[in-house]
Amino acid sequence: DAKTTQPPSMDCAEGRAANLPCNHSTISGNEYVYWYRQIHSQGPQYIIHGLKNNETNEMASLIITEDRKSSTLILPHATLRDTAVYYCIVRVPNRGQFYFGTGTSLTVIP
Amino acid sequence: EAGVTQFPSHSVIEKGQTVTLRCDPISGHDNLYWYRRVMGKEIKFLLHFVKESKQDESGMPNNRFLAERTGGTYSTLKVQPAELEDSGVYFCASSPRRLAGVWNEQFFGPGTRLTVL
Repeated sequence: DAKTTQPPSMDCAEGRAANLPCNHSTISGNEYVYWYRQIHSQGPQYIIHGLKNNETNEMASLIITEDRKSSTLILPHATLRDTAVYYCIVRVPNRGQFYFGTGTSLTVIP
Repeated sequence: EAGVTQFPSHSVIEKGQTVTLRCDPISGHDNLYWYRRVMGKEIKFLLHFVKESKQDESGMPNNRFLAERTGGTYSTLKVQPAELEDSGVYFCASSPRRLAGVWNEQFFGPGTRLTVL
């Protein structure tokens, strides 16, 4: 089951950075942190993932604390299309499937 | 490259009827997953195929659900007989073969919205 804790909702002004926190205090050393989002009722969309180091791609940045007990997803310049539910998932290494939690509902405000 | 496709997009059936959902993964993806989201609940894992074999079906709710993946290509999920609590959105996802013990990200389809009346 889900091993992460996220705030249920957040707001962000359009054009500003959206910082979405996630706690995963029981994470093991070989477990990856994945972020997905779900816009409206579409299928979840992959954003980014990481193990220890910070990661960046064209969509977002992932900052993982040194003790790996928490992480932050950063959307550098939020747009209205970024309004979605964001899921932080700790992936068990010997199992392929994801265990989704309740996620954070991000609303980008004009 | 085509993404994961699911058919139908919506299905409305009566309690006791049978429904079959289909998922076509991204071509070449060995791993295929089924998930579902019941109203007001979290997205839940149902089962995982590696090619045509069931790797993990621990999330299947009961024996009214039957999943198959003939030839390791598309997959079907049959619900027989359907009950009211089966209503929800069923998602399929696929990912490439695991290499060097590393799992890849999963690509999700748009889902099938099932309503059981």
